Amino acid sequence: DAGVTQSPTHLIKTRGQQVTLRCSPKSGHDTVSWYQQALGQGPQFIFQYYEEEERQRGNFPDRFSGHQFPNYSSELNVNALLLGDSALYLCASSLDWNTEAFFGQGTRLTVV
Amino acid sequence: AQKVTQAQTEISVVEKEDVTLDCVYETRDTTYYLFWYKQPPSGELVFLIRRNSFDEQNEISGRYSWNFQKSTSSFNFTITASQVVDSAVYFCALSDGYGGSQGNLIFGKGTKLSVKP
Repeated sequence: DAGVTQSPTHLIKTRGQQVTLRCSPKSGHDTVSWYQQALGQGPQFIFQYYEEEERQRGNFPDRFSGHQFPNYSSELNVNALLLGDSALYLCASSLDWNTEAFFGQGTRLTVV
Repeated sequence: AQKVTQAQTEISVVEKEDVTLDCVYETRDTTYYLFWYKQPPSGELVFLIRRNSFDEQNEISGRYSWNFQKSTSSFNFTITASQVVDSAVYFCALSDGYGGSQGNLIFGKGTKLSVKP
């Protein structure tokens, strides 16, 4: 049983560009959350998707948007990239409200 | 505002030593959840424990133990007889209690533990 998988593993983009990161949740999980982890910091919550809708959102600008598909996989889109968007982006999946969240290995985004 | 503080940035111990990682939290909620995660160099966050605000019993799992004290808003993590494989960054996190979901976790900055042979 595959756990949470994220793609790509690494990515280099130029300032002002747009990027799409992808996440496949653990089999049977219907809830996907995205986090941004800057170097040397703890992860920060971006948003959570459940039943194809954004259920909660952290303190991130509208440049950060997402989507969840009927198969529960999810995408994180970031527009107008800034140097400060360079970070490890982590996806976590869970089943319903009250279960353990499993994290993927993340996508390392570098903006130059 | 909710906040998690891990005052220890880095800890270095020798194998077989016991080590305690400190975590202090702030919240106005009466219902909340506390977590510990391990992040090895691969980057993936590994779930270790979840504790709700109404359960102050200490928990032991093998070499790991957790001490939850609401009076001091602390949720400390102890590794007994540390091993080299315990080397990682450890994060303490707080959930705002929204339906018990583990979304919207508020993380501390982490403590990097190095266990030397």
